[in-house]
Amino acid sequence: GDSVTQTEGLVTVTEGLPVKLNCTYQTTYLTIAFFWYVQYLNEAPQVLLKSSTDNKRTEHQGFHATLHKSSSSFHLQKSSAQLSDSALYYCALSDIASSSFSKLVFGQGTSLSVVP
Amino acid sequence: DPKIIQKPKYLVAVTGSEKILICEQYLGHNAMYWYRQSAKKPLEFMFSYSYQKLMDNQTASSRFQPQSSKKNHLDLQITALKPDDSATYFCASSQPGQPSNERLFFGHGTKLSVL
Repeated sequence: GDSVTQTEGLVTVTEGLPVKLNCTYQTTYLTIAFFWYVQYLNEAPQVLLKSSTDNKRTEHQGFHATLHKSSSSFHLQKSSAQLSDSALYYCALSDIASSSFSKLVFGQGTSLSVVP
Repeated sequence: DPKIIQKPKYLVAVTGSEKILICEQYLGHNAMYWYRQSAKKPLEFMFSYSYQKLMDNQTASSRFQPQSSKKNHLDLQITALKPDDSATYFCASSQPGQPSNERLFFGHGTKLSVL
């Protein structure tokens, strides 16, 4: 089956330093879209980034990710972490060829803690 | 103002009882979903509805029954509750067919605890 793997359950980084959250996947879908969702404390998950183009960098709110189909990865990075970035981050994939593209497959989630 | 309203926010139930989780969306979307987030598990797809019709069901148990009385409503009825049903249940919606809107919008969730 299709799966998304986020290897780190918790990442702690000092404010101002770079951060990288890992995401790899396995899928049988031929046309796929990838998302990073962020869930702040007591809030609903919301889309942070989306990409469906191989080797194209996508950026939003200082975060960036590049889909690499050759390595089945869609890592999330930021050059300078902020205290307000502390949240739960989910990587997810979807089949965009079918009509049920919104049936997302989520990773386990990575809790990012940015400390002073 | 929240565009996807889930009620209640917290729910405590006893084993064997029945509960209904309410979801209303005011985004004008035609597709609605239920996802479940259990402890130490990823968000898990349960159901998808489009124009009030069931499109996909990934829930093995018939104890979980979605109910759509209106296009912007998708409630979730859970019968014969078990402690393992304890989770946060998220309602979501989307507008299929519009590339600019190919994403899910989530409600804040209903946290269910079954004792």
